[in-house]
Amino acid sequence: DILMTQSPSSLSASVGDRVTITCRASQSINIYLNWYQQKPGKAPKVLIYAASGLQSGVPSRFSGSGSGTDFTLTISSLQTEDFAAYYCQQSYTTPRTFGQGTKVEIK
Amino acid sequence: QVQLVQSGAEVKNPGASVKVSCKASGYTFTSYAMHWVRQAPGQRLEWMGWINAGNGDTKYSQKFQGRVTITRDTSASTAYMELSILGSEDTAVYYCARETYYYDRSRYSEYYYMDVWGKGTTVTVSS
Repeated sequence: DILMTQSPSSLSASVGDRVTITCRASQSINIYLNWYQQKPGKAPKVLIYAASGLQSGVPSRFSGSGSGTDFTLTISSLQTEDFAAYYCQQSYTTPRTFGQGTKVEIK
Repeated sequence: QVQLVQSGAEVKNPGASVKVSCKASGYTFTSYAMHWVRQAPGQRLEWMGWINAGNGDTKYSQKFQGRVTITRDTSASTAYMELSILGSEDTAVYYCARETYYYDRSRYSEYYYMDVWGKGTTVTVSS
């Protein structure tokens, strides 16, 4: 199975901050990498697909980059509604695997 | 609108089975794959398996092989996930998720992602 490792596991930030979350795959996955946002008690919601594609309806302050084994999710200016958990997921092969998540909290 | 409606919360005894349903609406059910993903309290999302809603082909995580069965009823646009021999470690929220793809012409490749999710079904295993 492909192991997905995110860092950090949690972070504290203020509204307006630039936030970066990284995800590393245990083997090359090309750009078969997606990012999801999950708020407490809610289902995940896709933000980024194919490493850098912005899902329809997602604000442009979210962006993704990377290929191979190293990927990044960036929130350019953190908003109140962005405080949530973020997960990367590879769709290169099955089993589909997720990172352990990054919790973004209010400083 | 496109949505997935899951069945209600379940409480089961250890050793029992549970069957969760996921009814799709707003799109052609047989044109997409359906995945099942679970999340135990405080844990990461965990992929269980998927079904090609068109032809019924399935693939399961090795972790659940032999205990999980995913089926579909095309006439009802509904997918099902049955998990047997439940233990306390199976206490979790179970999600169904539709998978779609983005076709990149420059790379001649399809990139898959889960774009629509059910709200989740809480399964509690307790004696």
